[in-house]
Amino acid sequence: AQSVTQLGSHVSVSEGALVLLRCNYSSSVPPYLFWYVQYPNQGLQLLLKYTTGATLVKGINGFEAEFKKSETSFHLTKPSAHMSDAAEYFCAVSVGAQKLVFGQGTRLTINP
Amino acid sequence: DSGVTQTPKHLITATGQRVTLRCSPRSGDLSVYWYQQSLDQGLQFLIQYYNGEERAKGNILERFSAQQFPDLHSELNLSSLELGDSALYFCASSRPTGGGNGYTFGSGTRLTVV
Repeated sequence: AQSVTQLGSHVSVSEGALVLLRCNYSSSVPPYLFWYVQYPNQGLQLLLKYTTGATLVKGINGFEAEFKKSETSFHLTKPSAHMSDAAEYFCAVSVGAQKLVFGQGTRLTINP
Repeated sequence: DSGVTQTPKHLITATGQRVTLRCSPRSGDLSVYWYQQSLDQGLQFLIQYYNGEERAKGNILERFSAQQFPDLHSELNLSSLELGDSALYFCASSRPTGGGNGYTFGSGTRLTVV
């Protein structure tokens, strides 16, 4: 079975600073990996995904993530935080056409 | 607009009642997934349907049931509601070829049981 661990339920950074949200996964077979963002009172929006190929994946809003098989990690980064990035971020894993398994989420706060 | 439509957006009902949540998947998607999001449990997978057939079941209570109709829309039925069932219920859909094409989520139904 697959599982996801997001390190840090809350992350706070200053506007303009680097954003780093950590995600580690467990899967017995090559996984698909995803990051979703949820703004207050809204649904889940796909930021980026890794399926196969290039391990550095670029997504929307300047976010990117790197798949590191040796570390079973898929950390999300953004070079310069913006106030509009404040939201809840979820890392998720799936295998084949199976369900998405989510981490517990990381709430990102941006300080002016 | 993600292409996945969930209705209603908000629902307030009393304990012991029964409600039905509806989901229309994105055009061309055959799989529908239901998730429950609560503060204490996070995002929990409930059930998956593929082209009308149940494909996978997660932590879905016996009081809950779902189905997918020939037009591919899906309904999640919640009965004998309890206060603890208050949550945000999401529907997602995906392409027939599997998760590599991603999962598209609806905006959710917020259920409040009073």
